[in-house]
Amino acid sequence: AQRVTQPEKLLSVFKGAPVELKCNYSYSGSPELFWYVQYSRQRLQLLLRHISRESIKGFTADLNKGETSFHLKKPFAQEEDSAMYYCALSEGYGQNFVFGPGTRLSVLP
Amino acid sequence: NAGVTQTPKFQVLKTGQSMTLQCAQDMNHEYMSWYRQDPGMGLRLIHYSVGAGITDQGEVPNGYNVSRSTTEDFPLRLLSAAPSQTSVYFCASSPWPAYGYTFGSGTRLTVV
Repeated sequence: AQRVTQPEKLLSVFKGAPVELKCNYSYSGSPELFWYVQYSRQRLQLLLRHISRESIKGFTADLNKGETSFHLKKPFAQEEDSAMYYCALSEGYGQNFVFGPGTRLSVLP
Repeated sequence: NAGVTQTPKFQVLKTGQSMTLQCAQDMNHEYMSWYRQDPGMGLRLIHYSVGAGITDQGEVPNGYNVSRSTTEDFPLRLLSAAPSQTSVYFCASSPWPAYGYTFGSGTRLTVV
């Protein structure tokens, strides 16, 4: 069974401070991992997928298979980064696409 | 290219009523899913489809039905609404799950 955990329900940082949103997963195979962002009352948007190794809006995430983690990082938080962030896992070949419970990021001025 | 379109955006139902949430995508995606979003629980998969004519249950299927007669459409039916089904419902589509899903704007459903 797959499981995605995000230990922080709420994370508050000041503008300009570094941000790290934690995501851990349990899955026996080779997972595909994603970060989604949801701004207030909007649809979920794909932020990052580990397979692309891209940086979007200054965010990066590295898959650590040893620690089964896929933490999301940004060196300098902006107020517009305030949103709900979801980590998600896909088997890659099957349908199962599982979301974590989400972390609300609040960037204070 | 509209992406994933959901209707209605808001709905209030009385307990016991039935209704259909509509979802359509114009990206020719084979994979489509319905999720419900509840505070503190993230998104939970209700039903999914891997192509026209093929559907299967997700994590929380009870009380919901789906069908997939075309690639474009994937409606979600609430058979007899209950207050526990008060939630925000999201439809999503993907060409292949490893690429990630594109989400609709959601339907906020309240059952009284």
